[in-house]
Amino acid sequence: QSVLTQPPSASGTPGQRVTISCSGSSSNIGSNYVYWYQQLPGTAPKLLIYRNNQRPSGVPDRFSGSKSGTSASLAISGLRSEDEADYYCAAWDDNLSGPVFGGGTKLTVL
Amino acid sequence: EVQLVESGGGLVQPGGSLRLSCAASGFTFSSYWMHWVRQAPGKGLVWVSRIKSDGSGTNYADSVKGRFTISRDNAKNTLYLQMNSLRAEDTAVYYCARGEVGLDYWGQGTLVTVSS
Repeated sequence: QSVLTQPPSASGTPGQRVTISCSGSSSNIGSNYVYWYQQLPGTAPKLLIYRNNQRPSGVPDRFSGSKSGTSASLAISGLRSEDEADYYCAAWDDNLSGPVFGGGTKLTVL
Repeated sequence: EVQLVESGGGLVQPGGSLRLSCAASGFTFSSYWMHWVRQAPGKGLVWVSRIKSDGSGTNYADSVKGRFTISRDNAKNTLYLQMNSLRAEDTAVYYCARGEVGLDYWGQGTLVTVSS
């Protein structure tokens, strides 16, 4: 069981906007930055969002992150078939003295 | 170009040992924290351990504390994970990754299978 809670699946049609939620606690999301990773099938994870809402260079602005209290969200607008992947949230946990991940959300583009 | 290349995975019996390596290139290795993250087949990402840029500080997940040891050789630009007393539940792809908390570059992973 993961420390951060994500829905196991999400879906949308091309062009739609989808959001993926990530719920934590005061020891992780509530007091630290949130990160999001994209893992395409058969590949290593890739950093998608850092420090709650910052995009690394090369990540399209269709991807955006937000945080409020002990929860965070990843939004993907203008959904494309190549966005079909697993998405993970992560944050440092003060009690565990290490980063914790969500269980991952499998995004399907219908 | 930043590259992280893991090696050393394979099949090992329960109770056995294995040492993973991660060769880094394309950046100043000695300036960055480094991590190991694992992913069991069909499962999610789980953080394993991290080490400070100069090797002076380490952290471990409770599940591996006392069994795994992270280390680095900055002269060789290489990160290591010594895994002892391996269990079936340690079976996973092990990734090395760069960063203090957010992990901006990942290797391709090396598969460790613990089975008799």
